[in-house]
Amino acid sequence: KAGVTQTPRYLIKTRGQQVTLSCSPISGHRSVSWYQQTPGQGLQFLFEYFSETQRNKGNFPGRFSGRQFSNSRSEMNVSTLELGDSALYLCASSLEASGGAGADTQYFGPGTRLTVL
Amino acid sequence: AQSVTQLDSQVPVFEEAPVELRCNYSSSVSVYLFWYVQYPNQGLQLLLKYLSGSTLVKGINGFEAEFNKSQTSFHLRKPSVHISDTAEYFCAVSYMNSGYSTLTFGKGTMLLVSP
Repeated sequence: KAGVTQTPRYLIKTRGQQVTLSCSPISGHRSVSWYQQTPGQGLQFLFEYFSETQRNKGNFPGRFSGRQFSNSRSEMNVSTLELGDSALYLCASSLEASGGAGADTQYFGPGTRLTVL
Repeated sequence: AQSVTQLDSQVPVFEEAPVELRCNYSSSVSVYLFWYVQYPNQGLQLLLKYLSGSTLVKGINGFEAEFNKSQTSFHLRKPSVHISDTAEYFCAVSYMNSGYSTLTFGKGTMLLVSP
């Protein structure tokens, strides 16, 4: 099975622009989560989608948004980019076959490295 | 709210020596516990997880971890490390019965294995 794929892998934008990142989960996985990784703050949860619905949201401003499509693919969008948005954005998918949502293993993609100039 | 503390930001060790990476958590509700590894320029890979049952959990690449409820700890150990184990290691928790898959991560521990 193919793993989680994220596109693009690298992105350079300037302040004030907007950006859309894409994530394709492992086939059959319905839950997709997004995380932001920075040297200062570490790994922080952005949001989670399950069956096209946002199921949970982290403590990020409204400039960060996402969506999930019927094929479970997900996108996240950041509008009005700030220098502090420079980070590695990781997408993870999980199956939720048993044990409840929290018990499932999350499989991570390689990430999209966003640089804001 | 739940939080995860990894006490060591960096752990240097010589090849073939044993290593322990420490993780403590705090939560008002029961949690599941995970260890992930991140190699340079890659995403995270699951090493092992504790859901229930035996408190000693064995994972991939010879790693194991022990859940200690009274000390709210989930330390990761390996009896003999290799150069290839050099990576960043993250401890994480998720809520039981939360209805969603959300991981709260520690800040990470960089394991540096030298010859």
